[in-house]
Amino acid sequence: QVQLVQSGAEVKKPGASVKVSCKASGYTFTGHNIHWVRQAPGQGLEWMGWINPHSDVTYYAQKFQGRVTMTRDTSISSAYIELSNLRPDDTAVYYCSREGTVTTAGTLNYWGQGTLVTVSS
Amino acid sequence: EIVLTQSPDFHSVTPKEKVTITCRASQSIGYSLHWFQQKPGQSPNLLIKYAYQSISGVPSRFSGSGSGTEFTLTIDSLEAEDAATYFCHQSTNLPWTFGQGTKVEIK
Repeated sequence: QVQLVQSGAEVKKPGASVKVSCKASGYTFTGHNIHWVRQAPGQGLEWMGWINPHSDVTYYAQKFQGRVTMTRDTSISSAYIELSNLRPDDTAVYYCSREGTVTTAGTLNYWGQGTLVTVSS
Repeated sequence: EIVLTQSPDFHSVTPKEKVTITCRASQSIGYSLHWFQQKPGQSPNLLIKYAYQSISGVPSRFSGSGSGTEFTLTIDSLEAEDAATYFCHQSTNLPWTFGQGTKVEIK
């Protein structure tokens, strides 16, 4: 079965960077885009961007350009998001999600369990 | 960027009641509108794809309709386990965006 397992919670100081991992299993990793979505405490969902694990092409939401980097390691079926110059308002649960293909392209049909990133001095 | 506006923000309903949540898009998005359910402490769960298409394993009391700029999620005969926040999401244009969410509480 499809699973996305993310790395554990992180606590960072303002100005630091954080890197969250997302290990995929149960499907061909290079066959589906991986998206990253975050959710601040008590707030809604915010889409951050995606990476195509096959081509390594990325797209970042304008809000995060210059601070976010999405990468992948196909040898271990893992995707990563790194966010730099952290601010307190970056405190959120960060989710990876797998996009469907063909008839389900454009849908986020599997999600990781989420990784809480806390930014505090 | 396409803005999705959900209404209402909050719904307090009794079991077996019918619930309707609306999602309006700031420009036409065809049918590329999807609905998620999120329970506290859990990841979002896809309920409906492409405005009205059902998802395997999702109870049939959940249905979607609409196209263009106005969409609706309907929960027929609400059950206690349906207490959650519901989000709409568009994948027509980059950046993808989400509605602000509608919290459904059971009276």
